[in-house]
Amino acid sequence: EVQVVESGGGLVQPGGSLRLSCAASGFIFSSYDINWVRQAPGTGLEWVSYISDSGSVMSFADSVKGRFTISRDNARNSVYLQMNSLRAEDTAVYYCTRGQPGTIDYWGQGTLVTVSS
Amino acid sequence: DVVVTQSPRSLPVTLGQPASISCRSSLSLVHSDGNTYLNWFHQRPGQSPRRLIYKVSIRDSGVPDRFSGSGSGTDFTLKISRVEAEDVGVYYCMQGTHWRSFGQGTKLEIK
Repeated sequence: EVQVVESGGGLVQPGGSLRLSCAASGFIFSSYDINWVRQAPGTGLEWVSYISDSGSVMSFADSVKGRFTISRDNARNSVYLQMNSLRAEDTAVYYCTRGQPGTIDYWGQGTLVTVSS
Repeated sequence: DVVVTQSPRSLPVTLGQPASISCRSSLSLVHSDGNTYLNWFHQRPGQSPRRLIYKVSIRDSGVPDRFSGSGSGTDFTLKISRVEAEDVGVYYCMQGTHWRSFGQGTKLEIK
C-alpha cells in the first residue's frame, strides 16, 4: 500500500525555522517525484515545492522562494522541507504528495505548521 | 506563473441532477511532450484531497463513471452526470504542465 507520512509540524515564532519530513513506503521511492502542497486554514490548495526522483531538479512557488529548501534521501525513502524565515502567512497544513509527470497521485494526511508569537 | 481559474466557487446541486465545473488556465496546458496535464481532485471535509482525473479525461481506478473530464488548451470541464450525497466537498483543478498550480476550488453542496 502506498503511504506518505509527514512529520515535523508545530508552533514556531515568526522568523523561525522548521524542518518537515516525509517518509514514504509501499512503492519504489527513487522512481517518483515528490511535491509539497499546503492549505491555509479554510482556504484552498497551494503548491509549494517539487523535487525530482533523483533529487537533481527542484522548484519552488514564488511565495517561498529563497526561504524554503527541499531535499531527499532515497536510501531512507524520505524527503525534507526546510522552512526558514517563517511568516504568519506560512501557517497551513503541509501535505507531502507523490508525483508523476504532470500530476500528483497520492497525498499524505498532512502536518500542521502554525507561525505565531 | 500560470494562473488557474475555477468557476463557480459554490455549486448547490439537487441529488440526481448534473453538475459542471469550469477550469481555465492563463497559458496553454499542452506540454512539449504532447500531453495535456490537467488534473481534478476532490476533498471531503477533514480529509486529504484525492485525485479523480488526470491528463484531462482519464479517471482514476475506483472513480465512478458519472465523473468525466474534458477540454483542451486552456479550457477544461469536470462533469458529474448525476450528483450523489458522497460527492459533496471541494473540487480543485490542478495544472501540471508549467510546474504546478491549483484553481481556487469549487464547493459542491446538496440543495
